[in-house]
Amino acid sequence: QSVLTQPPSASGTPGQRVTISCSGSSSNIGSNTVNWYQQLPGTAPKLLIYSNNQRPSGVPDRFSGSKSGTSASLAISGLQSEDEADYYCAAWDDSLNGVVVFGGGTKLTVL
Amino acid sequence: QVQLVQSGAEVKKPGASVKVSCKASGYTFTSYDINWVRQATGQGLEWMGWMNPNSGNTGYAQKFQGRVTMTRNTSISTAYMELSSLRSEDTAVYYCARFSTPGYYNVGWFDPWGQGTLVTVSS
Repeated sequence: QSVLTQPPSASGTPGQRVTISCSGSSSNIGSNTVNWYQQLPGTAPKLLIYSNNQRPSGVPDRFSGSKSGTSASLAISGLQSEDEADYYCAAWDDSLNGVVVFGGGTKLTVL
Repeated sequence: QVQLVQSGAEVKKPGASVKVSCKASGYTFTSYDINWVRQATGQGLEWMGWMNPNSGNTGYAQKFQGRVTMTRNTSISTAYMELSSLRSEDTAVYYCARFSTPGYYNVGWFDPWGQGTLVTVSS
């Protein structure tokens, strides 16, 4: 049972816009920044979005992040086949002397 | 370029210990914390703890307290994660990741990640 809640799956067709939600609480998303990681099949996670809505260099602007209250969202526009991956949200949690908590992950399928 | 390269796969018996290494290159090793995250097959990501390579200070997730030890050798820019009293549930891929933050820990992120080390616990 993950501390942050994500839908287990999402899908879309090429060119579509897809959003993935991440729900938390006041001790994590509500008071700290959210990061998103992309994990392509058989590879290590890669930073996709940091500090709620910042893209590292090299990440296409098709990817965007937002946060409101105790929830965050990842949006992917102009969906491409290479976007098929698992996506994880993460945040610091102020409880238990501070820990990093992850969502359970969302498997994105490009139809 | 900034890179973290981890040691190879391990197979251990229940009750044994495993030590995974993570060699950093492309940046000043002592300037960034190293965190460890694991992922059981087909499962999500689970944070294990952090280590400051400069001071050697560490912080562990409560779940792993007493079983995990994170250390470093600054002369070779390498971090280590040792997990003891292994059980079958510890079978997972273990990742190290560099931690970056503009200030406090609660606004930081992991980038990059090592390639992962598969640890299999089986009798």
